Amino acid sequence: GNSVTQMEGPVTLSEEAFLTINCTYTATGYPSLFWYVQYPGEGLQLLLKATKADDKGSNKGFEATYRKETTSFHLEKGSVQVSDSAVYFCALTPYSGAGSYQLTFGKGTKLSVIP
Amino acid sequence: DTGVSQDPRHKITKRGQNVTFRCDPISEHNRLYWYRQTLGQGPEFLTYFQNEAQLEKSRLLSDRFSAERPKGSFSTLEIQRTEQGDSAMYLCASSPEPDTQYFGPGTRLTVL
Repeated sequence: GNSVTQMEGPVTLSEEAFLTINCTYTATGYPSLFWYVQYPGEGLQLLLKATKADDKGSNKGFEATYRKETTSFHLEKGSVQVSDSAVYFCALTPYSGAGSYQLTFGKGTKLSVIP
Repeated sequence: DTGVSQDPRHKITKRGQNVTFRCDPISEHNRLYWYRQTLGQGPEFLTYFQNEAQLEKSRLLSDRFSAERPKGSFSTLEIQRTEQGDSAMYLCASSPEPDTQYFGPGTRLTVL
């Protein structure tokens, strides 16, 4: 079946540090890949997505590249801010011409950015 | 732009009681999903509606769980004879198309 593995947290960084959160997946075919973010007390928000190999998703300074050869979708940001403190989830939907496109999530990585 | 709303936001109940949650999707989104999220875990898929039809159900959805989406608008998720293991955040998401799901704030259920 489909699965997503992301690096365990929590991750604590100083403001302006470089961020990488690793994510690898197992899926048949060509899934679409996502990063969702959950700020304290809020619901899940789509941060970025990529739908085919070598695509780069980007938003709010965050980037992730769909690497089919390594089945990875690592999240990066060059300079984190305190406001980036949140839980980050990597997820996929299976390639399907029909069906639910249900999301399969990783366990989440909690990021804390300190001033 | 009104997002996905869920009601109630919090529910505390005693073991054995029935509970019902409501989800109002973004208007005109024909796809609606329910997920469950336990502490320290990512959300897990429960069920999927396209318009009023319930097209997929996870094995996580035991016989005590039932979901409906009458008229293809709002949806309800009912849990009968709640157990302590049902304590979780129940998330609803709606989607206008594949690959783009918008989540509500969730209903946190605590079963005592």
